[in-house]
Amino acid sequence: DTGVSQDPRHKITKRGQNVTFRCDPISEHNRLYWYRQTLGQGPEFLTYFQNEAQLEKSRLLSDRFSAERPKGSFSTLEIQRTEQGDSAMYLCASSRGDRGLQETQYFGPGTRLLVL
Amino acid sequence: KQEVTQIPAALSVPEGENLVLNCSFTDSAIYNLQWFRQDPGKGLTSLLLIQSSQREQTSGRLNASLDKSSGRSTLYIAASQPGDSATYLCAVRRGGSSNTGKLIFGQGTTLQVKP
Repeated sequence: DTGVSQDPRHKITKRGQNVTFRCDPISEHNRLYWYRQTLGQGPEFLTYFQNEAQLEKSRLLSDRFSAERPKGSFSTLEIQRTEQGDSAMYLCASSRGDRGLQETQYFGPGTRLLVL
Repeated sequence: KQEVTQIPAALSVPEGENLVLNCSFTDSAIYNLQWFRQDPGKGLTSLLLIQSSQREQTSGRLNASLDKSSGRSTLYIAASQPGDSATYLCAVRRGGSSNTGKLIFGQGTTLQVKP
């Protein structure tokens, strides 16, 4: 396993711009999750995919946010018309399935977004 | 609504001490509970996962216990070292019809182990 990777690691943008983040899960992991973490808080769930199907979206995910996972491999998270409140660490995680330790979610290094 | 709380928010101990981090959750209908470590500005590293049917899990100097009925979990760290300094997060996965796989996190306990 090469681990979960995320790109970019850091992003600075101006308010109103669009940004897109990418997550590459561990190969053969069929579940992929996006979380958002602000300073001093634990991560908050945004959305998750089982293969290519987006099965749940948090109310935190306003209509400015969209996530995709074409072909059930990598995923992208796009934020349109960014606001200063979107500044946070965006974390991606993947897991293999529902059996024992295979349920463990493995996290990527995160993308830190700063909206000026 | 499931809520997860971790106390204390911060902890400072001298090297070599044994210590306990606490995690409580409001809804006992969980599927599993996971403890993570997070270094500053980094992602999360999974430490231990306890299934709802289990009472504890051990890995090296770490031992995590789970008491579903009281809504509590503890992470015990033996013989703490400066390298253990990090933020420790617990997260629960809900069970039953709410079992969608998503984790609900506490706010974390930031641990500093002084040499």
